Amino acid sequence: EAGVAQSPRYKIIEKRQSVAFWCNPISGHATLYWYQQILGQGPKLLIQFQNNGVVDDSQLPKDRFSAERLKGVDSTLKIQPAKLEDSAVYLCASSFSRGTSNTGELFFGEGSRLTVL
Amino acid sequence: AQSVSQHNHHVILSEAASLELGCNYSYGGTVNLFWYVQYPGQHLQLLLKYFSGDPLVKGIKGFEAEFIKSKFSFNLRKPSVQWSDTAEYFCAVNSPRQAGTALIFGKGTTLSVSS
Repeated sequence: EAGVAQSPRYKIIEKRQSVAFWCNPISGHATLYWYQQILGQGPKLLIQFQNNGVVDDSQLPKDRFSAERLKGVDSTLKIQPAKLEDSAVYLCASSFSRGTSNTGELFFGEGSRLTVL
Repeated sequence: AQSVSQHNHHVILSEAASLELGCNYSYGGTVNLFWYVQYPGQHLQLLLKYFSGDPLVKGIKGFEAEFIKSKFSFNLRKPSVQWSDTAEYFCAVNSPRQAGTALIFGKGTTLSVSS
């Protein structure tokens, strides 16, 4: 079974530039998550999609971050303009949900490491 | 709001030593509990999980964790660590009541095992 695919693996940009990250979840997984992991900290949820609808984006800095999942499969996370504090690993994860039950387990991609100079 | 606390930031052990990593969560309702591991250069992967039933759960590579509801704890244990257990360990929690709810993670514990 193919895992969660992310690209690019690494990106270095200047502050105020823009960047986009792409994620393809495991086939059949309706729920997709973007997490931000700053060095020395645990992953923090940015946004959660159920199919192509947003479930939770309460921690997404909407003045600079945006995300979409137009066809309910792959997703793009964009940062524009980037700040120094956005330097982090951006993790995509997916999970399988059946009706109202929660299988719970998230499957993670390898992450996209962003360095903002 | 849910939160997860991991007591140890960095643990250093010799091979064959026993391991216990602390995890406490803050949430009033029923929870699912997880331990994820991130080996150097690899993605986060599930070590073990607790949904319901026997509070002592066993995971991969000889790890186990015990859910103590009265203490809101889910500590990770291994009787004898190996050099290959060097990694970062994350405790996480979510709610089983809602489909596909996101995990909330602790800050992680870095385990360094010397041979």
